[in-house]
Amino acid sequence: GENVEQHPSTLSVQEGDSAVIKCTYSDSASNYFPWYKQELGKRPQLIIDIRSNVGEKKDQRIAVTLNKTAKHFSLHITETQPEDSAVYFCAAFVSGGYQKVTFGTGTKLQVIP
Amino acid sequence: ETGVTQTPRHLVMGMTNKKSLKCEQHLGHNAMYWYKQSAKKPLELMFVYNFKEQTENNSVPSRFSPECPNSSHLFLHLHTLQPEDSALYLCASSPPSGGNEQFFGPGTRLTVL
Repeated sequence: GENVEQHPSTLSVQEGDSAVIKCTYSDSASNYFPWYKQELGKRPQLIIDIRSNVGEKKDQRIAVTLNKTAKHFSLHITETQPEDSAVYFCAAFVSGGYQKVTFGTGTKLQVIP
Repeated sequence: ETGVTQTPRHLVMGMTNKKSLKCEQHLGHNAMYWYKQSAKKPLELMFVYNFKEQTENNSVPSRFSPECPNSSHLFLHLHTLQPEDSALYLCASSPPSGGNEQFFGPGTRLTVL
């Protein structure tokens, strides 16, 4: 089955700096890679996603890159703000007819004011 | 609010009790999911229903029994649970084919005594 590894497990950055979280996956059939943000006591919410036919996607301060050959994808947050502090999860989906999904173990990001 | 609701939000039960968790969405989604979220572990996909048909069952113990009477409602029936089953149980739904974004409910915090 699919195995998704996520690093680091915790990350502290100064406000204004960049943060990078990396995930690797094992199943070459995976074709959809979302990133979720989960604030304390709240539900996970999608912040950005990328499909296997795209190498990079950007949305304001957030970007995701995908290297299909190496089977890894990364989340980049620039100009971090205290409200970016949360747990971030990556996931790898095999979709089409039915869906298999595997989540990473999560990264706790702390942005220090 | 994502349009996915879950009840109850908190549940405390003994190992001999029988209880049910409920999830509801009126977003027109055709796929619904149950996840288990434990401390320091990745989100674990438990069950997937696509058009009311169960398409995934990730080796979940039989003390968890899902039910999907229609594409808007999903239940998780619980009986003879163990203390290690204490966790946050999240429901999610996703749109018809072509879109994979999952919309999560707020979760049910389950404690098994």
